[in-house]
Formats: sequence, C-alpha cells, structure tokens
Amino acid sequence: GAVVSQHPSWVICKSGTSVKIECRSLDFQATTMFWYRQFPKQSLMLMATSNEGSKATYEQGVEKDKFLINHASLTLSTLTVTSAHPEDSSFYICSARDLQGIRTDTQYFGPGTRLTVL
Amino acid sequence: KQEVTQIPAALSVPEGENLVLNCSFTDSAIYNLQWFRQDPGKGLTSLLLIQSSQREQTSGRLNASLDKSSGRSTLYIAASQPGDSATYLCAVRMDSSYKLIFGSGTRLLVRP
Repeated sequence: GAVVSQHPSWVICKSGTSVKIECRSLDFQATTMFWYRQFPKQSLMLMATSNEGSKATYEQGVEKDKFLINHASLTLSTLTVTSAHPEDSSFYICSARDLQGIRTDTQYFGPGTRLTVL
Repeated sequence: KQEVTQIPAALSVPEGENLVLNCSFTDSAIYNLQWFRQDPGKGLTSLLLIQSSQREQTSGRLNASLDKSSGRSTLYIAASQPGDSATYLCAVRMDSSYKLIFGSGTRLLVRP
C-alpha cells in the first residue's frame, strides 16, 4: 500500500516550452502533496506544498508563476514548469501524506521525474 | 534556520562490515527525524522514523539513534551487503507543517 507514482519518469524538452509532471497517490487519498527538486549530487529541496482544493504554498525563492501547481483531486497533483530553461533541468520528486493511514507522519515519495531542458 | 549535515559524503566498505552514518542538525527543536534510502535515479524509500521523544528505532539490520539535545542522529548498518549500496538521506521535520529538511546524503558503496 501507500504507493505514489509520477509521470513521466523522464522528459527532454526545448528551451521555452512548458512541461507538466503528474504525481498520483495510487491507493490512498492525499490532501497534501509536496514537490521537491534535486540537483545532481545534492539533496532534496522543498519547492512547494500542494493542498487539495486550494492554492499551493511556495518556499522562499521559488517562483510560483514559473512552477504552477494544481491539486485538483485527492489523488493527483501536477507541477507545470513554464517556459523551461536549461537551469530548470533537475530531478523533481513528489511526496504525499496518507491521512487515513496508520502512519500519518510518513510521507510517501514518488520515483521522481528527470527533466532535461535543451 | 535549520541546517542538516551528513558526514561522510561518501563511504566505501567491504561486504560484511558494520558501519555508521552520521547526521547533525543545528536546531534541536525537531518534531521527528527520518532516514531514507535513495537508489540512483530513483525516489526515496523511508527506512526509519524517530519521534523527538524517542532515542532509537530498529528495523532488521538497521538501527537509528537520536540525541536531540546534541543535534545528532546516527544510522547503524550491521553486516553490510552489496545491496545496501545507495545514498542515505536524513531529514528533520520541524513542526506540524510536515515540511522536511534534508541533509545532502551519504553515498554508500559496499564492495563484494
């Protein structure tokens, strides 16, 4: 149980285009999902907290107009990187909390999406 | 501002050796601390979670300890195996917001 999926697993795009990444909780409901970014050989940095039915909360220094987050249902959050540039190339990982599970303290992480912007 | 540090950054050991990974944090007012494993190009797998009121947690060959007052946690891996090779990350949660602050990780290689 408590599986989180991401789609796509990897994507290559041209500079200036927009890319949408999906994060799904497969067997539980998640009112809160988190989006992280990880640069090579660095740790995960929280970008934003995605709340179902309301606006996302962004961390300091993260441009909300560039990284659009939509959490339209209890099992799906999307991250859209708008007008992507090479410096946006990174590994994007989402996580979700199972509010009804036994271990509500635990965040379950997706497998990540590798974004390469040419 | 909470900062989480992990040492060493990389570690290579022969199979069968017992080893210790270290994690330190600057603000001791944590809610809990969690150890994760990350395989190359993959997401994170939760290994152990220690609440702020606990001193240690064990799962199989893994034992994690927490000394909140000194801002330290250790992950002990007994009888290491090549399959343990991965990056190990520690993360602290500060409050009820569920936000996690990660360390930079220790890349472990267990040689056959």
